[in-house]
Amino acid sequence: KAGVTQTPRYLIKTRGQQVTLSCSPISGHRSVSWYQQTPGQGLQFLFEYFSETQRNKGNFPGRFSGRQFSNSRSEMNVSTLELGDSALYLCASSLTTGEVSYNEQFFGPGTRLTVL
Amino acid sequence: AQSVTQLGSHVSVSEGALVLLRCNYSSSVPPYLFWYVQYPNQGLQLLLKYTSAATLVKGINGFEAEFKKSETSFHLTKPSAHMSDAAEYFCAVSRYGGSQGNLIFGKGTKLSVKP
Repeated sequence: KAGVTQTPRYLIKTRGQQVTLSCSPISGHRSVSWYQQTPGQGLQFLFEYFSETQRNKGNFPGRFSGRQFSNSRSEMNVSTLELGDSALYLCASSLTTGEVSYNEQFFGPGTRLTVL
Repeated sequence: AQSVTQLGSHVSVSEGALVLLRCNYSSSVPPYLFWYVQYPNQGLQLLLKYTSAATLVKGINGFEAEFKKSETSFHLTKPSAHMSDAAEYFCAVSRYGGSQGNLIFGKGTKLSVKP
């Protein structure tokens, strides 16, 4: 079974631009979560989607948004990029059957975003 | 509110020596705790998880962790380090007590293994 895939793997943007990152979960997984990883702040939860609905959200500004499609694929968008948005963005999927998921989260390799 | 503190951003051990990576948590609800490993240029892989069953949890690659409520700790151990264990390790607590979609991570501990 294929793992979580993220595209693109590397991205370079300039300040003020916007970016869209894509995540394809493992087949059959309906929950997708996004995390930002930086050397200074570490791993921080962005948001989680389940059945096309945002189920939980972390403490990030409104410039960060996401969505999930009917096939469980997810995208996250960052508008008006700032230098501090440079990070590794990780997507994770899990097999969940209801409100709460107790199952393992499978992480993708991440998208390395550099903002110049 | 939940939080995780990992003691030591870098730990170095010799091959064959005991590995001990420390994690303390703070949680207002019974916690669900996890250890993940990250190899360079890769995502995170779950090593083990505590979900209120046995306090001693065994994971992959010979790792295990013991949940100690009185010490609010969940330290990761491995009896004998291998070169392939060199990686960064993250302890995490589930934000709302159960759902893994809301993990709060520690800052990570980079493990080096000397030959």
